[in-house]
Amino acid sequence: SQQGEEDPQALSIQEGENATMNCSYKTSINNLQWYRQNSGRGLVHLILIRSNEREKHSGRLRVTLDTSKKSSSLLITASRAADTASYFCANAGGTSYGKLTFGQGTILTVHP
Amino acid sequence: DVKVTQSSRYLVKRTGEKVFLECVQDMDHENMFWYRQDPGLGLRLIYFSYDVKMKEKGDIPEGYSVSREKKERFSLILESASTNQTSMYLCASHGRRGGANVLTFGAGSRLTVL
Repeated sequence: SQQGEEDPQALSIQEGENATMNCSYKTSINNLQWYRQNSGRGLVHLILIRSNEREKHSGRLRVTLDTSKKSSSLLITASRAADTASYFCANAGGTSYGKLTFGQGTILTVHP
Repeated sequence: DVKVTQSSRYLVKRTGEKVFLECVQDMDHENMFWYRQDPGLGLRLIYFSYDVKMKEKGDIPEGYSVSREKKERFSLILESASTNQTSMYLCASHGRRGGANVLTFGAGSRLTVL
C-alpha cells in the first residue's frame, strides 16, 4: 500500500507541552502536506513542505522533511486545548491532479 | 471564504437502496475527489475527476460510481448500498489556496446502511 504510516496513533499531553507527530511512506515523497480534522468534520490544510525544503514554520507549527528517509514530522509547540484534533500527513508522490495519499492519522488530545 | 459543500451531513439508508452524495465547490477548481474515512484506515480515495465528464478510479472504487456533469458539482453514487459502505464520506476539491495547491474539504457525509 502507498498509504502513509503515522505514529503515534494517539497522543495525550497537557496544555503548554509540545506535540510531535511522525509520518513515513514507502514511496518517494513530493510536496508533503499536513491536515487537521476536528471530530466529525472535514480536513483543513495546515502546511505544505516541498521536496527541496528541509524545514518549514507556520505560527506554532514546525514541519521537517527527510526525503532520503521518506519521512516527515509535525511539531506543535505550546499546545492548547483547542489543538485537540486528528492530524494527517498527505503525500502527492509522483502523481498529478492533486491526488494525495494520506497517512492513518494521529489523534491528539490536549488536556487543559 | 472558499467552500466545498456536501448536501447531507447524516444519512441512514437500507441495504439495496440507491444513494446519492452531492458535493459542490465554489472555487472553479478542475479537480475533485471523493474519499471514505474509516477508523484505523485513514482516508482512502474512491474516485476523482480532473474535468467535466472525466473521472478516474481511486484505490477503492468497487461498489461506487460518480458523475461530473458540471464543473462545480461532483456526485458519488452507491448503486446498491451495502452495510460495509457505512462510513464517513469526504469530498474535496484541489486548487490554489494561500500560494500552494492544496485540497479543500467539505464537512463530510456520515452514511449508515442498515
